[in-house]
Amino acid sequence: GENVEQHPSTLSVQEGDSAVIKCTYSDSASNYFPWYKQELGKGPQLIIDIRSNVGEKKDQRIAVTLNKTAKHFSLHITETQPEDSAVYFCAAPSRSGGSQGNLIFGKGTKLSVKP
Amino acid sequence: GAGVSQTPSNKVTEKGKYVELRCDPISGHTALYWYRQSLGQGPEFLIYFQGTGAADDSGLPNDRFFAVRPEGSVSTLKIQRTERGDSAVYLCASSSGQGDGYTFGSGTRLTVV
Repeated sequence: GENVEQHPSTLSVQEGDSAVIKCTYSDSASNYFPWYKQELGKGPQLIIDIRSNVGEKKDQRIAVTLNKTAKHFSLHITETQPEDSAVYFCAAPSRSGGSQGNLIFGKGTKLSVKP
Repeated sequence: GAGVSQTPSNKVTEKGKYVELRCDPISGHTALYWYRQSLGQGPEFLIYFQGTGAADDSGLPNDRFFAVRPEGSVSTLKIQRTERGDSAVYLCASSSGQGDGYTFGSGTRLTVV
């Protein structure tokens, strides 16, 4: 089955700096890779996702890159702001089949943005 | 509704008791998922419904856990003979089935004492 590894577990940056979180997956057939942001006391919120037919996707200050050969994908946040502080999770499908089956989540990265 | 609603938000129960957790998905979403999240961990899959039927229940840890979705909208996760190890946040998510990813609710924090 799929295995998702996420690094680092904690990340502290100064406001305005960039933050990068990396994930690796094991199933080469996986074709959908979402990123979620979870604030304290709330459920995870989908912030960006990428499918295996593209290498990069950007939405304002957030971007995700995918390297299918190496089986890793990364979340990039530029010009970080204190409100970006949260726990971020990557995920991949538990089996080939895209975005509607169940997901395997990484263990999360706690991002702290210091003003 | 506008989002996924889970009730109760918090539940404290005694070891050995039975609990029910409710999830109201986004109206029209055909797929519904239950996950469990322990402190400091990512969500762990429990069960996935497509319409009224369980499409994948491989994540249910044992036969004390059961979930239903009789009319294809609201779902109930049922836990019998609760144990202290069942303490966690139980998350529900739904999706339209059109490749738009999940929307999670805020979860039910279950504490077994």
